[in-house]
Amino acid sequence: NAGVMQNPRHLVRRRGQEARLRCSPMKGHSHVYWYRQLPEEGLKFMVYLQKENIIDESGMPKERFSAEFPKEGPSILRIQQVVRGDSAAYFCASSPRDRPYYGYTFGSGTRLTVV
Amino acid sequence: DQQVKQNSPSLSVQEGRISILNCDYTNSMFDYFLWYKKYPAEGPTFLISISSIKDKNEDGRFTVFLNKSAKHLSLHIVPSQPGDSAVYFCAASALANDMRFGAGTRLTVKP
Repeated sequence: NAGVMQNPRHLVRRRGQEARLRCSPMKGHSHVYWYRQLPEEGLKFMVYLQKENIIDESGMPKERFSAEFPKEGPSILRIQQVVRGDSAAYFCASSPRDRPYYGYTFGSGTRLTVV
Repeated sequence: DQQVKQNSPSLSVQEGRISILNCDYTNSMFDYFLWYKKYPAEGPTFLISISSIKDKNEDGRFTVFLNKSAKHLSLHIVPSQPGDSAVYFCAASALANDMRFGAGTRLTVKP
């Protein structure tokens, strides 16, 4: 069990390009959460997904950001027309729904740099 | 809205002494609290948790205290070791839903 896998680890995009961040949850975990950490700041909740459903997207910016967790394959966080302010570390976490109180298992993150 | 607050961005202690990290929350619906530890270039890792029905949980050198009336929790590390140097995040959850994190406290343990 390789844990939560995020790729790429580092991503550089020019302003206006699209960024796609992938997250494969731990085996047996059906709940995925995305968090963003801006430089010198804490973890900010973005979105909570289950397979084929967005449960809570209250932390997602209203424009340019979207997330999905398809029936097959990894969860994708997509940022369209990136701007410099999108530069941050994006962390994905997963949990097994039947044991929510074990907390989340985080991936190592994707560091997005917009140039 | 910042429902979970860690007001001390940094803390420095001497090896062998006690480290006390504090966390305050505003949402009275939170019923589960966790502490995560994060090293640079890594994801946060779960450290210790406490349910709202308890006021203390201990795991080795780590103890978490919860004061529900004050909406305050703290993490005690004793004795502190240089390997404990990391950023510590407090997190809270309501009804097993997604967690909200504080801004983190950077702990430095000096040899």
